[in-house]
Amino acid sequence: GQQVMQIPQYQHVQEGEDFTTYCNSSTTLSNIQWYKQRPGGHPVFLIQLVKSGEVKKQKRLTFQFGEAKKNSSLHITATQTTDVGTYFCAGPTSGTYKYIFGTGTRLKVLA
Amino acid sequence: DVKVTQSSRYLVKRTGEKVFLECVQDMDHENMFWYRQDPGLGLRLIYFSYDVKMKEKGDIPEGYSVSREKKERFSLILESASTNQTSMYLCASSPFRELNYGYTFGSGTRLTVV
Repeated sequence: GQQVMQIPQYQHVQEGEDFTTYCNSSTTLSNIQWYKQRPGGHPVFLIQLVKSGEVKKQKRLTFQFGEAKKNSSLHITATQTTDVGTYFCAGPTSGTYKYIFGTGTRLKVLA
Repeated sequence: DVKVTQSSRYLVKRTGEKVFLECVQDMDHENMFWYRQDPGLGLRLIYFSYDVKMKEKGDIPEGYSVSREKKERFSLILESASTNQTSMYLCASSPFRELNYGYTFGSGTRLTVV
């Protein structure tokens, strides 16, 4: 069946360093979504990418959708302690509004 | 502020009990979902519903059932709780046709089956 994989599973960075998480789907996606889950919290929707090669920015966060629409990345520039949490990507099952979530990348930022 | 509310934050139940997890959304969303979250496994879909009285199995429906009698409420039922159902349960909703909206999640119910 369709799978969405993320790497790395964990990442520890010093505050001020950059961070990137990668998401790969076994199938072509019509769109991809990213979520952030703070420790002890629930996932919160960040953004959706739809077009091949699309790049979107939210302050220090840059989201990219691959040309083949099978992979995506989230890059955080100059991490801050407020960036701590788990970042999930999610892709829809073909023809539905049902999303399959990646296993997530847990980010720790050391002050 | 739009909300998805889950009835309990923490629950402890005994093996074999019938367990009800309730979820209510106030956004008039058509789609509702139940996920469970386990360390290293991410979020796995149990059941979802596109409309009142409609339900579809997700990836791990065994041991669970659902009920959606009203648009705003989606209930997850553990017919006979087992220890391997100890997990964090997350309810989510989304509008049917709004593509750039994403899911809105509830705060989660951490269920422990002893």
